Amino acid sequence: EAGVVQSPRYKIIEKKQPVAFWCNPISGHNTLYWYLQNLGQGPELLIRYENEEAVDDSQLPKDRFSAERLKGVDSTLKIQPAELGDSAVYLCASSLDAVASGYNEQFFGPGTRLTVL
Amino acid sequence: AQTVTQSQPEMSVQEAETVTLSCTYDTSENNYYLFWYKQPPSRQMILVIRQEAYKQQNATENRFSVNFQKAAKSFSLKISDSQLGDTAMYFCAFATNAGGTSYGKLTFGQGTILTVHP
Repeated sequence: EAGVVQSPRYKIIEKKQPVAFWCNPISGHNTLYWYLQNLGQGPELLIRYENEEAVDDSQLPKDRFSAERLKGVDSTLKIQPAELGDSAVYLCASSLDAVASGYNEQFFGPGTRLTVL
Repeated sequence: AQTVTQSQPEMSVQEAETVTLSCTYDTSENNYYLFWYKQPPSRQMILVIRQEAYKQQNATENRFSVNFQKAAKSFSLKISDSQLGDTAMYFCAFATNAGGTSYGKLTFGQGTILTVHP
């Protein structure tokens, strides 16, 4: 079974440029997460989707960050314009329905390392 | 809000030896989950072990075991018979079971870099 797929793996851009990251979750996983991981730190949740709905975007800096999951499968995270402080790894994870009883394991993708010059 | 603290930025161990990574957390909830994740240089975050707070018995997965002290809010990871492939960043993480918009959200600690020496 294929895992969570993310692309690109690496991205280098100049500040003020736009950038987009793509995530394809594990087939059948309704819940999708985007995390930000700064160098040497643990990941921090940016946004959580249940199907097409963003159910927790409280940590997403909405002035420059946006995300979408139009058909409830793939998702795109965008930054416009990028700033130097956005240099980090952006991780995508997916799980079965997070609202179901019990806790469903989150499976992580390899991440996209963004460097803003 | 929940917080997770890992006080050991780096640890090292000789191959075949045992090492323990520490983690403390803070929460007002009674029902939650705790995890240890491994992140090797390839960046792929892998679940090592998980513990449900309502279970008194410590979780075990092969060479990995935890010491869960609910009253002390402590959750340490013991790796026995350390192998070179265990070299990675290890993260302790918390997830609520209380429902609501925070359900499913993982709160991570700062991580501990573990190096296994031959």
